[in-house]
Amino acid sequence: ELKVEQNPLFLSMQEGKNYTIYCNYSTTSDRLYWYRQDPGKSLESLFVLLSNGAVKQEGRLMASLDTKARLSTLHITAAVHDLSATYFCAGGYNNAGNMLTFGGGTRLMVKP
Amino acid sequence: GAGVSQSPSNKVTEKGKDVELRCDPISGHTALYWYRQSLGQGLEFLIYFQGNSAPDKSGLPSDRFSAERTGGSVSTLTIQRTQQEDSAVYLCASSFVGLETQYFGPGTRLLVL
Repeated sequence: ELKVEQNPLFLSMQEGKNYTIYCNYSTTSDRLYWYRQDPGKSLESLFVLLSNGAVKQEGRLMASLDTKARLSTLHITAAVHDLSATYFCAGGYNNAGNMLTFGGGTRLMVKP
Repeated sequence: GAGVSQSPSNKVTEKGKDVELRCDPISGHTALYWYRQSLGQGLEFLIYFQGNSAPDKSGLPSDRFSAERTGGSVSTLTIQRTQQEDSAVYLCASSFVGLETQYFGPGTRLLVL
């Protein structure tokens, strides 16, 4: 059974600073996803990481995957207030229909 | 194009009543998923439909929960004899097949009094 853990659960940071959210998973996962959720809203897809060493970047966010360490990271560069949201990582197996197992989420607050 | 839609957006019901939640997936998506998001349990998988195959019901928490998908498109999640612990946001997602990105709907916020 796949288990996914994120840390930290809560992150308060100043604008302009850098930080990393960590996502550890327990067993082999075919793909690793990152989603964003704004308060009262649904989940917005950010990244899909397919293989070991995969790195994807969009704006101030960069996600990476190390399948050997069973670790994915979401790095935030020069944070801005608009990045304030909750970020979830999730893993899935293709042979199990790819139902996602989510981490507990990281609530990010970026202060001006 | 149109995203995943869900209705109702909010539902308040009394304990013991039945509720039906609806999901309209993105056109052409053959895979449809239901998830539940609650404060205590986080985001958890409920049920998965792929094309005309039998659904994977492994995430349903009890036999009070059931779902169907008609014509390979619209899905309905039914909760019978609702309990207060059923209060949560029920999210529907769809994707093309397999490992494709799942796109989530806005959710139905269910409150059982």
